[in-house]
Amino acid sequence: ETGVTQTPRHLVMGMTNKKSLKCEQHLGHNAMYWYKQSAKKPLELMFVYNFKEQTENNSVPSRFSPECPNSSHLFLHLHTLQPEDSALYLCASSQVNRANEQFFGPGTRLTVL
Amino acid sequence: GQQLNQSPQSMFIQEGEDVSMNCTSSSIFNTWLWYKQDPGEGPVLLIALYKAGELTSNGRLTAQFGITRKDSFLNISASIPSDVGIYFCAGQPLNAGGTSYGKLTFGQGTILTVHP
Repeated sequence: ETGVTQTPRHLVMGMTNKKSLKCEQHLGHNAMYWYKQSAKKPLELMFVYNFKEQTENNSVPSRFSPECPNSSHLFLHLHTLQPEDSALYLCASSQVNRANEQFFGPGTRLTVL
Repeated sequence: GQQLNQSPQSMFIQEGEDVSMNCTSSSIFNTWLWYKQDPGEGPVLLIALYKAGELTSNGRLTAQFGITRKDSFLNISASIPSDVGIYFCAGQPLNAGGTSYGKLTFGQGTILTVHP
């Protein structure tokens, strides 16, 4: 238990569906991150939020829309996804001044049909 | 973008053996980190390194920040079955400062299997 929870743990959706992934951290951190982990590829950073403000969008397609209402919660809204978007989506958090020491949640395994 | 070359890709060892894996980059990194990921879980931070030449231990794990700032290694001594998992190196490139702090680059991972 790292103090970062993600729901749902598994999600199957069609290409026309709209769904959201949720992340919550209980560590008092003020930076949150979304990563994509695909088979046989390194973790890819998607978005960074510092103090609820987005500071990084790593050229992520607009069908992925993040939302950070406060420092403890992070959402990833999904719409019109493609099968190649199937992956493990990991959320992480850290202190802004120790941003390299990131604590990860267990991930959401997403399958797009 | 930055790339990290992590090797070996996989290792099959006997319980009790020592393990060594490394990560190299063509660019300078100002931070190196080592994570472990168990099946069905997210990566867990094992060791963080911030200075060239730094050698840090965490139990049976030892990691070093290479003197050239372009590499790092992780050693596991006297392996046990629960060491099984995927080990990732990660780094903060030197030129990714300012608002890019926390923008980590990850290696592809080393899959470790330990036979009892």
